[in-house]
Amino acid sequence: AQKITQTQPGMFVQEKEAVTLDCTYDTSDQSYGLFWYKQPSSGEMIFLIYQGSYDEQNATEGRYSLNFQKARKSANLVISASQLGDSAMYFCAMRVNNFNKFYFGSGTKLNVKP
Amino acid sequence: GAGVSQSPSNKVTEKGKDVELRCDPISGHTALYWYRQSLGQGLEFLIYFQGNSAPDKSGLPSDRFSAERTGGSVSTLTIQRTQQEDSAVYLCASSRRPGQGIYEQYFGPGTRLTVT
Repeated sequence: AQKITQTQPGMFVQEKEAVTLDCTYDTSDQSYGLFWYKQPSSGEMIFLIYQGSYDEQNATEGRYSLNFQKARKSANLVISASQLGDSAMYFCAMRVNNFNKFYFGSGTKLNVKP
Repeated sequence: GAGVSQSPSNKVTEKGKDVELRCDPISGHTALYWYRQSLGQGLEFLIYFQGNSAPDKSGLPSDRFSAERTGGSVSTLTIQRTQQEDSAVYLCASSRRPGQGIYEQYFGPGTRLTVT
């Protein structure tokens, strides 16, 4: 069975500090992709970063990086130098390439404090 | 270019009525997904279309829910005999094509359905 687990319903971080949002996944497939999306209070889903299961290096996109530990089946999102605009829900998702269906975690609500 | 569009943005309906929600994916995207998101919750997969293949309907919660995709483009999600528990935001997403690589989903703004 495919499953994504986000164990942090809510997180607080001080502006300008770094924060790690946890994500673990479960799949028996070897080929899969891991995604992080941001959902501000306005509701739109914004794609942030992607990690393929065969990628050897951790993905980075600006202030976002993905700490991919394949053996532990974790794909944590690291946001450096948090900004007030980072306050949002963050969803981790997995696509198993044989099936092309996306599985989403329950989300983490991040609040950045000034 | 134009993103994924959904209509209506808001829909209020009475319990027992049928509703149709529309999704217009990004041009050229062959994959289309429908999700349901209850207040403060994650995304619940409903149905997935890929080109002309038979859709993956494994997420539809009951036979009151159905979806079509005409001409490999626009999709309509229909909920018959709506119930109060159907109240949620219904999100549509599209992506270029399946397979390895990024092919991330692009989401529409959603339709907020309220069943009274």
